[in-house]
Amino acid sequence: QVQLQESGPGLVKPSQTLSLTCTVSGGSISSGSYYWSWIRQPAGKGLEWLGHIFTSGSASGSTSYNPSLRSRVTISFNTSENQFSLRLSSVTAADTAIYYCARVFGSVTYRFDLWGRGTLVTVSS
Amino acid sequence: DIQMTQSPSSLSASVGDRVTITCRASKPISTYLNWYQQKPGEAPKPLIYSASSLQSGVPSRYSGGGSGTDFTLTISSLQPEDFATYYCQQSYSSPYTFGQGTKLEIK
Repeated sequence: QVQLQESGPGLVKPSQTLSLTCTVSGGSISSGSYYWSWIRQPAGKGLEWLGHIFTSGSASGSTSYNPSLRSRVTISFNTSENQFSLRLSSVTAADTAIYYCARVFGSVTYRFDLWGRGTLVTVSS
Repeated sequence: DIQMTQSPSSLSASVGDRVTITCRASKPISTYLNWYQQKPGEAPKPLIYSASSLQSGVPSRYSGGGSGTDFTLTISSLQPEDFATYYCQQSYSSPYTFGQGTKLEIK
């Protein structure tokens, strides 16, 4: 079955760029009409959608981002590696959180039907 | 952005109890509402989509309802594995926002 796994540095210095990768196994990132998304969760707090990328068909590569982060966030994908990635620039302590990658099923229902286990990123000098 | 507000924020209940969690949207969202369960140290798990459709593999003691701005998640008879935090999420429009969560604890 399809599984997602986040990877990347667990510690990032303030003002630097956070970079994470989500590796999709058990299926192709380019098959099916899925969006691939990033969500984060500060310790003890709620969930925040960061954005998504679409990876199939004529709209392949199209992205959507949370306006609260739009100027700092970039999501991309690599078909050959079956991965998609998150870059968040100019990070501060407020960006410290568990970062999840997730698959989105349905452009209308837009539900996160498959999640990675999450990776903790701490922003600190 | 559409604000999602859950109530209560926390809830104590016993095994076998029937519990209902409420989620309110700041504007009408039809039935574009999903529910998730999260246990400590784990990723959220999808439970219900489109307000009332059960995700595959989710026990039938879970049910969802509502439309417009007011939604409910009901667990008909609590089991030990149901004690967790529950989140609603609107899928009506971007940015896709979540409620603040409802922590269901053992009484």
